[in-house]
Amino acid sequence: GAGVSQSPSNKVTEKGKDVELRCDPISGHTALYWYRQSLGQGLEFLIYFQGNSAPDKSGLPSDRFSAERTGGSVSTLTIQRTQQEDSAVYLCASSLAWRGMGTQYFGPGTRLTVL
Amino acid sequence: SQQGEEDPQALSIQEGENATMNCSYKTSINNLQWYRQNSGRGLVHLILIRSNEREKHSGRLRVTLDTSKKSSSLLITASRAADTASYFCATVTNAGGTSYGKLTFGQGTILTVHP
Repeated sequence: GAGVSQSPSNKVTEKGKDVELRCDPISGHTALYWYRQSLGQGLEFLIYFQGNSAPDKSGLPSDRFSAERTGGSVSTLTIQRTQQEDSAVYLCASSLAWRGMGTQYFGPGTRLTVL
Repeated sequence: SQQGEEDPQALSIQEGENATMNCSYKTSINNLQWYRQNSGRGLVHLILIRSNEREKHSGRLRVTLDTSKKSSSLLITASRAADTASYFCATVTNAGGTSYGKLTFGQGTILTVHP
């Protein structure tokens, strides 16, 4: 079956512009996570969605970052007024288990470059 | 933040040899997972071991978990050139209902297997 998909695969933007990154989780997976991977910080948790519960936004680095998940499926991560330090690979993962206490399946990531 | 520390940071071996990677963590966990990453993109789940388990096998992979020492090891037996990748351990903390299964990653081990 289809895995987690993300788009775009690469995004180059200018400092100060807004960007939207999309994640399509595996069908039926109720838990969805966003992580980012950068040279300086390694792999970091950003935000978690579970069904209709309020998301856990504790990993978002600033208020320029926001995410939503529509209809319990597709998720969009938005970065406003991008900065060079936002350059990273943004990874989405989904999981079937309740509260995500199980295997997370990752998408291929979106490589964001802020010039 | 990175909970786990992995060693070695880099490992270079010949095909057919075994590769052992270690991971240490700081807090009480629900489970620990190992992932592989090729070329800095999507993460592939390898194996999950729960806190009440001590050892688990999957094909050429063997994972051990010592919760008293807060450490885990990943052994790849009879390595192949195709095993060349970065390997990450990731923990799911046991913070009641608030951890939501979010993964906290180690810094990773870069494994190179020479043909």
